[in-house]
Amino acid sequence: QVQLQESGPGLVKPSETLSLTCTVSGGSISSYYWSWIRQPAGKGLEWIGRIYTSGSTNYNPSLKSRVTMSVDTSKNQFSLKLSSVTAADTAVYYCAREGDDILTGYPNWFDPWGQGTLVTVSS
Amino acid sequence: QSALTQPASVSGSPGQSITISCTGTSSDVGGYNYVSWYQQHPGKAPKLMIYEVSNRPSGVSNRFSGSKSGNTASLTISGLQAEDEADYYCSSYTSSSTRFGGGTKLTVL
Repeated sequence: QVQLQESGPGLVKPSETLSLTCTVSGGSISSYYWSWIRQPAGKGLEWIGRIYTSGSTNYNPSLKSRVTMSVDTSKNQFSLKLSSVTAADTAVYYCAREGDDILTGYPNWFDPWGQGTLVTVSS
Repeated sequence: QSALTQPASVSGSPGQSITISCTGTSSDVGGYNYVSWYQQHPGKAPKLMIYEVSNRPSGVSNRFSGSKSGNTASLTISGLQAEDEADYYCSSYTSSSTRFGGGTKLTVL
């Protein structure tokens, strides 16, 4: 059974870069899409972006200028970098595997999810 | 990128059925059969309940069902149980991106 675990600093200063890693266990990271999703306290979910194990990416247009994702298949890990953070980026950050349509290959559902990690942006 | 529209809250009594709607546009919900639904209990990660409009993952109760008409998708929960009380989110694929709904709080009376 595949499990995901987010890791990284829980506190980031304004204007700096948020960096998180998701480690996949119980299965291979290869040949799947992997996404980052965040949730500010008391608010809804926001999709940040996805990466395929080939390295191809799609990002939320509203965050695209600040987001970089990467994958390390040798470590079964993928990562998120979000630059120039502000207090508005304070949230629980989840990583998730994204399932795709077996006919079209379009990624479109998230399962499983990591437990989430709280990142606070504050000086 | 605006969120899909969901009612802020719905409620029902044990044993009843409820439906949560998720309204988008022809560019997302109406354009693809790629709507999924997630259940989230407080302090927990979301859990996939329905994918590709109406498919139920293994292990999810058959009390949960999904459908779509035009630009609106729906999640129906029948035979409401106390454990169903949670937040529910829809999501839809849209042109290499993904959009979530604002979430609906389900209260079991």
